[in-house]
Amino acid sequence: GAGVSQTPSNKVTEKGKYVELRCDPISGHTALYWYRQSLGQGPEFLIYFQGTGAADDSGLPNDRFFAVRPEGSVSTLKIQRTERGDSAVYLCASSFDKLAGELFFGEGSRLTVL
Amino acid sequence: GQQVMQIPQYQHVQEGEDFTTYCNSSTTLSNIQWYKQRPGGHPVFLIQLVKSGEVKKQKRLTFQFGEAKKNSSLHITATQTTDVGTYFCAGVRSNDYKLSFGAGTTVTVRA
Repeated sequence: GAGVSQTPSNKVTEKGKYVELRCDPISGHTALYWYRQSLGQGPEFLIYFQGTGAADDSGLPNDRFFAVRPEGSVSTLKIQRTERGDSAVYLCASSFDKLAGELFFGEGSRLTVL
Repeated sequence: GQQVMQIPQYQHVQEGEDFTTYCNSSTTLSNIQWYKQRPGGHPVFLIQLVKSGEVKKQKRLTFQFGEAKKNSSLHITATQTTDVGTYFCAGVRSNDYKLSFGAGTTVTVRA
């Protein structure tokens, strides 16, 4: 596609449920980032992939959060046993290379945990 | 937590006036980027600064990177209603590739 695609755009779930958020980056972009943005805040780094491997997962808040990128393209962010505090917009971004600088963001997936 | 601080948090501007938003880091940055996020939208890249003391202009927007590579500023002249949104600076530390965002400056414009 022309840009970074994220699905679903909105997800409402109940506390304790499992959630998967998908990101389809721009074709050819090797670097992929997940950020989380709460209302009135800047994007908060979660994890960075270079190719298939997670080069830096230091931003994942706890072991309920996990992300994969098995073929070096599409990535899935997985959240187990969701909590109300997980409610936020989850943003995915890609760039051509880790040194290329500019990040292209998707529209985000808005997660609401009731 | 975020290592990049931005001030002010809110900027209310009369149309036609100028304003500046500031970004400060506790550590030296290899580069700094600026993004704009419109209400309900996603961050969109504006510019990247790499060199100490670098100044770049985009029409009415002027971006500056400090000599010590720890601070940056965005100056907008003759503000227009299209400038409404939140402006984020985001820095990359040396030997790193993780972009850390500030909390942003949210700009509203009075016509």
